[in-house]
Amino acid sequence: EVRLLESGGRLVQPGGSLRLSCAASGFMFKTFDMNWVRQAPGKGLEWVSVISAGGGGTDYADSVKGRFSISRDNSNDILYLQMDSLRVDDTATYYCAKGRRPYEYTYHDLDSWGQGTLVSVSS
Amino acid sequence: DIQMTQSPSSVSASVGDRVTITCRASHVIGSRLAWYQQKPGKAPKLLMFAAASLQSGVPLRFSGNVSGTDFTLTISSLQPEDFATYYCQQTYSFPRTFGQGTKVDIK
Repeated sequence: EVRLLESGGRLVQPGGSLRLSCAASGFMFKTFDMNWVRQAPGKGLEWVSVISAGGGGTDYADSVKGRFSISRDNSNDILYLQMDSLRVDDTATYYCAKGRRPYEYTYHDLDSWGQGTLVSVSS
Repeated sequence: DIQMTQSPSSVSASVGDRVTITCRASHVIGSRLAWYQQKPGKAPKLLMFAAASLQSGVPLRFSGNVSGTDFTLTISSLQPEDFATYYCQQTYSFPRTFGQGTKVDIK
């Protein structure tokens, strides 16, 4: 059974930093592209970032480019999101999500999601 | 960036009704579209991929279609467990973009 468990969310002040983690199990982590998707309270889904199976390819939403950095540890099956220069409008539940097929970086959809971790940015 | 325009934003329906949700892409994306269902307090769930392919375990009352840049998700006979919010997402290019969501609630 695929399991994705996010952690690291908490209350942080504007301008601060936070690192989210997503521990994966139940599948061959190193062969699947991984994503972060967020959802502000009461709002819709917003795609944040993607990383390829091997880690060599990444992409970001314009809203986080230059402030967030995605990475992965394929030895320990963990996905990360480093979040710097946090703003009030980064407040959201952050989900990690797995690509449906292995090594399908360009066109993959998301077939498994974690339960999310809440990031609150406020003074 | 590809914009996804989803409609309606909400729909009230009864059990047994046929419900159709539409997503329009701002650029040609072929069949590169996924549909997700989200219930309150839960993570999204993949329903359809490649516009019209049913994800494993999803009931056959869900179907998808594409005509040009217009995509539809149809629930043929609404069941109590289908009351939720539905999102489309283009899977053609990065940055990925979602539609605004359609909330299906009880009439």
